[in-house]
Amino acid sequence: GAVVSQHPSRVICKSGTSVKIECRSLDFQATTMFWYRQFPKQSLMLMATSNEGSKATYEQGVEKDKFLINHASLTLSTLTVTSAHPEDSSFYICTSRSTDTQYFGPGTRLTVL
Amino acid sequence: QKEVEQNSGPLSVPEGAIASLNCTYSDRGSQSFFWYRQYSGKSPELIMFIYSNGDKEDGRFTAQLNKASQYVSLLIRDSQPSDSATYLCAVKEGAQKLVFGQGTRLTINP
Repeated sequence: GAVVSQHPSRVICKSGTSVKIECRSLDFQATTMFWYRQFPKQSLMLMATSNEGSKATYEQGVEKDKFLINHASLTLSTLTVTSAHPEDSSFYICTSRSTDTQYFGPGTRLTVL
Repeated sequence: QKEVEQNSGPLSVPEGAIASLNCTYSDRGSQSFFWYRQYSGKSPELIMFIYSNGDKEDGRFTAQLNKASQYVSLLIRDSQPSDSATYLCAVKEGAQKLVFGQGTRLTINP
């Protein structure tokens, strides 16, 4: 299957700082990537759809000014959590679509102290 | 709001037996269905997808889809301890989005 990477895999930061997470599709070009968030013992919740060369589409209830998404190339999308707070601590996962299937990155565990 | 429902479990199955995981969905127009496996602390990985009514087999895994009843299931034959994980059912919404169920935690007992 297709390979998607994320960096970093784990990050711990202080409250109020910003954190950038990178998502790369390694063996195919992706015009669309998706960002999910998963809290402990809960399912994945779609945050936004990242579109190459255009603005991201955010799901209801997700603050676009807090979760900045940039999809500048066909292989890279970034999610920046601005002014992170402890309630933003979660597992952030990107996916990339190849044909009709979404492939998941390994995830980034964010802990905000 | 389109919904995907799964029994959260935990579901315990003895090693070697068949594990049966079920999922129902609310949107009768849904066409594409996916099963993902997620180990604790890890990202989900795709096991199978199914589009047509009936069964689809891949190794020890069989996906079953019944669009009239709006359910999709996953059978795991000859269950192994390594199959212990959370299994996520996902249904495609529109052209691209996936809506996930809450997942079923499966434990295979040696």
